[in-house]
Amino acid sequence: GENVEQHPSTLSVQEGDSAVIKCTYSDSASNYFPWYKQELGKRPQLIIDIRSNVGEKKDQRIAVTLNKTAKHFSLHITETQPEDSAVYFCAAILYSSASKIIFGSGTRLSIRP
Amino acid sequence: NAGVTQTPKFQVLKTGQSMTLQCAQDMNHEYMSWYRQDPGMGLRLIHYSVGAGITDQGEVPNGYNVSRSTTEDFPLRLLSAAPSQTSVYFCASSYSKGYQETQYFGPGTRLLVL
Repeated sequence: GENVEQHPSTLSVQEGDSAVIKCTYSDSASNYFPWYKQELGKRPQLIIDIRSNVGEKKDQRIAVTLNKTAKHFSLHITETQPEDSAVYFCAAILYSSASKIIFGSGTRLSIRP
Repeated sequence: NAGVTQTPKFQVLKTGQSMTLQCAQDMNHEYMSWYRQDPGMGLRLIHYSVGAGITDQGEVPNGYNVSRSTTEDFPLRLLSAAPSQTSVYFCASSYSKGYQETQYFGPGTRLLVL
């Protein structure tokens, strides 16, 4: 079955530095990989996604990379700011009739002033 | 549009009681799903639906029932609540079958089972 592992579980970086969160997935048929951000007490919200035919995607300070051979994908946040503090979840979605969306266990990112 | 709405926001149950968590969306989304969120466990899929009249099990379906009689509504039923079901429950929806589209989450229901 599909499994998504996410590391690290917690991450603390100095404001202005970069943060990297990594996920691995087990099913090679997965083809869509979104990242969600959840602020304290709020609902998860999509921040960026990548499809299996693309190796990298950027949106301002956020980027996601995908390595299909190794079955892992990563979230990169550059020039971190206090408002980046949140829990980040990766997910993998199987491109089949199962339509199951499996989330990683989350990374709590803290930005130190 | 109200987006995805959930009721109630908070609920306290006694072991063995039953209740229904309500979820509704006004975006004409085909795909709807229920997740539970426990500390350190991420978001685990309970049940999902790819359209009215169609439901299927996720990762952790035991103890929960769902139905999808309309496109808009996707209630989650706890038939006999147990302390292990204490969690935050999120409903989500997306336009297509869910595997390539943004998931829009509701505000969540915090459930405590004593």
